Amino acid sequence: EAEVAQSPRYKITEKSQAVAFWCDPISGHATLYWYRQILGQGPELLVQFQDESVVDDSQLPKDRFSAERLKGVDSTLKIQPAELGDSAMYLCASRGGLAGGNTMKQFFGPGTRLTVL
Amino acid sequence: DAKTTQPPSMDCAEGRAANLPCNHSTISGNEYVYWYRQIHSQGPQYIIHGLKNNETNEMASLIITEDRKSSTLILPHATLRDTAVYYCIAHGSSNTGKLIFGQGTTLQVKP
Repeated sequence: EAEVAQSPRYKITEKSQAVAFWCDPISGHATLYWYRQILGQGPELLVQFQDESVVDDSQLPKDRFSAERLKGVDSTLKIQPAELGDSAMYLCASRGGLAGGNTMKQFFGPGTRLTVL
Repeated sequence: DAKTTQPPSMDCAEGRAANLPCNHSTISGNEYVYWYRQIHSQGPQYIIHGLKNNETNEMASLIITEDRKSSTLILPHATLRDTAVYYCIAHGSSNTGKLIFGQGTTLQVKP
């Protein structure tokens, strides 16, 4: 079965450094999501793309976070500068089909575990 | 999307059925009930979803009450590999597609 790929799986960085995460969704999936999951909590959406366009970035801390999906395929999430509170799991998910309750099934990647020291 | 309420944790004996409840008393008519699970240090995995009828697939069964205010996810023969956090999400067609996760239920399957 096709899978969502993410890299790196683990990243340790120091405060104020820049970090970047990469996601390759399932082929043909137009919708791509980035979620952040703090330890002990459920994932929270950071940004959603439909093809190359941002649909929802209301929860993205735009002073330090940026996301792009230039060709509507793979995506990069960047943090600059990283802060201690950014330590979390960053999950990428993709979905095929159009909006509608019966097609909301999302496929998640393994995540990138970020530790900021 | 409607808020869902789940017990924070449950235990189940290996080989027995695991019944995970979810309350969604404010669910609207066009909102589906979705279940995902997250095994430790992995991304969430879709399990099943339904609108009003009971559903079954190779992973689980979903029982939705007639008034749709609650549902139960059933894992018929739990194994140690089913130990995970299970999330119940009410998700409507008007939504852009983002999932709103709660705290979920941590299911511990014991030998």
